[in-house]
Amino acid sequence: AQTVTQSQPEMSVQEAETVTLSCTYDTSESNYYLFWYKQPPSRQMILVIRQEAYKQQNATENRFSVNFQKAAKSFSLKISDSQLGDTAMYFCAFIMNAGGTSYGKLTFGQGTILTVHP
Amino acid sequence: DVKVTQSSRYLVKRTGEKVFLECVQDMDHENMFWYRQDPGLGLRLIYFSYDVKMKEKGDIPEGYSVSREKKERFSLILESASTNQTSMYLCASSPLGEDRVGPSGNTIYFGEGSWLTVV
Repeated sequence: AQTVTQSQPEMSVQEAETVTLSCTYDTSESNYYLFWYKQPPSRQMILVIRQEAYKQQNATENRFSVNFQKAAKSFSLKISDSQLGDTAMYFCAFIMNAGGTSYGKLTFGQGTILTVHP
Repeated sequence: DVKVTQSSRYLVKRTGEKVFLECVQDMDHENMFWYRQDPGLGLRLIYFSYDVKMKEKGDIPEGYSVSREKKERFSLILESASTNQTSMYLCASSPLGEDRVGPSGNTIYFGEGSWLTVV
């Protein structure tokens, strides 16, 4: 079974600064995907960034980037130039390659509440 | 845009009541899921379905059942609600197969959640 661990229940950062959220996972699979989801107070889950395990290059989406260390099973999210709208709960999630028997089941971490202060 | 709609956003039920949470998706997705979200525990999978009338248990199925009579609709049923089922419930759907990933790279789409309080 896969597990995802987020060891930081809460984080805070000043506006315009950079913050890194940590995530580790455990799996015996070699072909999988990792995600960061954002959940603002509205509770709507929003995909922030996605990383394919077979790609060595770290994914980047505007101010969001990841540090994917496959051997260490680590997948951290870096938010640069933090904005007030980044305040939300952030979830790290794992999915096996859908070509297997995952049926698209995501396994989530516990979540990290990020607060961006003005 | 993909839309996953949970018909009830806020419910208050009494212990022992039978509770139905409904979820509808409009993208012809094969897979549908029910997750439960609790502070400090993240999202935990209750049940999922990969086809009409097909269902499989997730990580915490006890006390729940599901129904999928039509492809677009996936219902979560609490046969006899208990206070420890007070939580937020999230429905999600996804297409089968990575070749159907959307342009944003998303593989799963969530509803807005249903807050259930059992008193």
